[in-house]
Amino acid sequence: DTGVSQNPRHKITKRGQNVTFRCDPISEHNRLYWYRQTLGQGPEFLTYFQNEAQLEKSRLLSDRFSAERPKGSFSTLEIQRTEQGDSAMYLCAISPPNEQFFGPGTRLTVL
Amino acid sequence: LAKTTQPISMDSYEGQEVNITCSHNNIATNDYITWYQQFPSQGPRFIIQGYKTKVTNEVASLFIPADRKSSTLSLPRVSLSDTAVYYCLVGDRASGAGSYQLTFGKGTKLSVIP
Repeated sequence: DTGVSQNPRHKITKRGQNVTFRCDPISEHNRLYWYRQTLGQGPEFLTYFQNEAQLEKSRLLSDRFSAERPKGSFSTLEIQRTEQGDSAMYLCAISPPNEQFFGPGTRLTVL
Repeated sequence: LAKTTQPISMDSYEGQEVNITCSHNNIATNDYITWYQQFPSQGPRFIIQGYKTKVTNEVASLFIPADRKSSTLSLPRVSLSDTAVYYCLVGDRASGAGSYQLTFGKGTKLSVIP
């Protein structure tokens, strides 16, 4: 148990639909990250929150992606008008100093 | 951001010691070396972190030569459950304000054979 839960664990959707993923850290941590991982690749950084403020976004995060972290606790990642290229594992991580704890991820399949 | 190079895959028999070497020729003075382990359908898990010389914990050892341009993760007496992808990362420690996002390469896929 890494102290981070993610829901749902799996999501299958049709192209063009909107999907939302949720990340729930068990304990409060200032820093929260989202990563995306495609098959055979390492995770790629998407965005970062310091408390409730979204301070950094990767170029990978197109306009169809939006993330929120109200109240600085849980976070949501929404993808609008999904495309087949969005199929990936979406990972959330929290970060006390010096290491990051990852959740189990949400595997998205866009048909 | 410093790049790392590590073997794509390695095979080992159960009970053997496994050494995975990572090259990071452009490592910065403030950078630490961190290794993560990832099993299928799970998020990466922190294994060990070091700055120089040798670091050992209950899971692994990390050897870093004086020039810090490479590092070696050593797993003693591997078992089938050590089959996973191992990532080597370099970067500054999250000791102050800022993002400190991790930059992963493709990792080394370790297969432990009975």
